[in-house]
Amino acid sequence: GAVVSQHPSRVICKSGTSVKIECRSLDFQATTMFWYRQFPKQSLMLMATSNEGSKATYEQGVEKDKFLINHASLTLSTLTVTSAHPEDSSFYICSLITGPRVGMGETQYFGPGTRLLVL
Amino acid sequence: GQNIDQPTEMTATEGAIVQINCTYQTSGFNGLFWYQQHAGEAPTFLSYNVLDGLEEKGRFSSFLSRSKGYSYLLLKELQMKDSASYLCAVMDSNYQLIWGAGTKLIIKP
Repeated sequence: GAVVSQHPSRVICKSGTSVKIECRSLDFQATTMFWYRQFPKQSLMLMATSNEGSKATYEQGVEKDKFLINHASLTLSTLTVTSAHPEDSSFYICSLITGPRVGMGETQYFGPGTRLLVL
Repeated sequence: GQNIDQPTEMTATEGAIVQINCTYQTSGFNGLFWYQQHAGEAPTFLSYNVLDGLEEKGRFSSFLSRSKGYSYLLLKELQMKDSASYLCAVMDSNYQLIWGAGTKLIIKP
């Protein structure tokens, strides 16, 4: 069964609005979750690493004030795209690891993804 | 810099065998992953190699040569449902995953 869920699966919003994407761990207490973005026909790009109870670690070039990450519990991490613009339209995917780090592929699980379209 | 190279697109025939290559240059190595991604969906795990050699899992096999910075994913008895993108990813010395751009595999009847 599914290990990670994301909500919503699709969202269309107007430019300038904020969108919150939830990532839930269904079977594990995930201390670490990852947020990725994927543009059409491109590779996955890691945006940030979300750590429960502490500030997220953002990759170079990712604006932390624009992409707010909150990992308030061991089963929920949220990504908020603030003041969304059309160039933020993308496929956002979260993943979690069940061990202390990604050492084996079996311990990394991806959510189903959220497709964001900003008009 | 860190780099993962794999072909952009490949075409194969149903029932045949196809090999998808991946070469990498990374700062350190802690394993290589292959993922399958159908259009509009998140990636799903296929294989993990950390030692040289061939790992077989049913119709799918993955090979690694660390000295050559090279891996391949071998798909046998191709089915139409195997049409997807196949992503190669390497974990570097900081346990960060470096992703390839993916190989789009098209299966023809």
